[in-house]
Amino acid sequence: AQKVTQAQTEISVVEKEDVTLDCVYETRDTTYYLFWYKQPPSGELVFLIRRNSFDEQNEISGRYSWNFQKSTSSFNFTITASQVVDSAVYFCALKVRSTDKLIFGTGTRLQVFP
Amino acid sequence: DSGVTQTPKHLITATGQRVTLRCSPRSGDLSVYWYQQSLDQGLQFLIQYYNGEERAKGNILERFSAQQFPDLHSELNLSSLELGDSALYFCASSVQRNEQFFGPGTRLTVL
Repeated sequence: AQKVTQAQTEISVVEKEDVTLDCVYETRDTTYYLFWYKQPPSGELVFLIRRNSFDEQNEISGRYSWNFQKSTSSFNFTITASQVVDSAVYFCALKVRSTDKLIFGTGTRLQVFP
Repeated sequence: DSGVTQTPKHLITATGQRVTLRCSPRSGDLSVYWYQQSLDQGLQFLIQYYNGEERAKGNILERFSAQQFPDLHSELNLSSLELGDSALYFCASSVQRNEQFFGPGTRLTVL
């Protein structure tokens, strides 16, 4: 069975602080895909990144960076110099090769205070 | 804007009623997915259609059904509504089996 765990329910930081959101996944499949989505207060789900299981290269996009480590089954997300607009719920999700459905974690609510 | 549209944005109805949620995928996307987001269950996959055919089923109740039409838009039908069906219902679409882009959601309130 597949599972995604986001142990941090809520994180509060002050603007300009760096923050890391943790994601641990479980699957026996050797081919899988990991995703991060952002859900701002307005409610929509915004796609941030997809990572394939065979590509462990870390990625940086502006203030966002992702660290994928197969050895620890983790796909962590770091926001550098956080801003108030980063306040949202962030979801990590897993998709295995045999199915298209996304398995979501329970989300981490990030609050960035000015 | 993801390019996926959902109507209505909000829906308030009574127990026992039936409602229909509508989704238009991004141009060119053949796959449509429905997800339910509730406080107790989180984000859960309900059902997937690919080019008009049902491809995968998740935790979808028998009171719920869906279809995808020739123009690729999809409808999710919820019947005999219960209080516990109150949730945010998302539609998503994708090209092939890549990342899914979500619509703004329909917030259903059952009173």
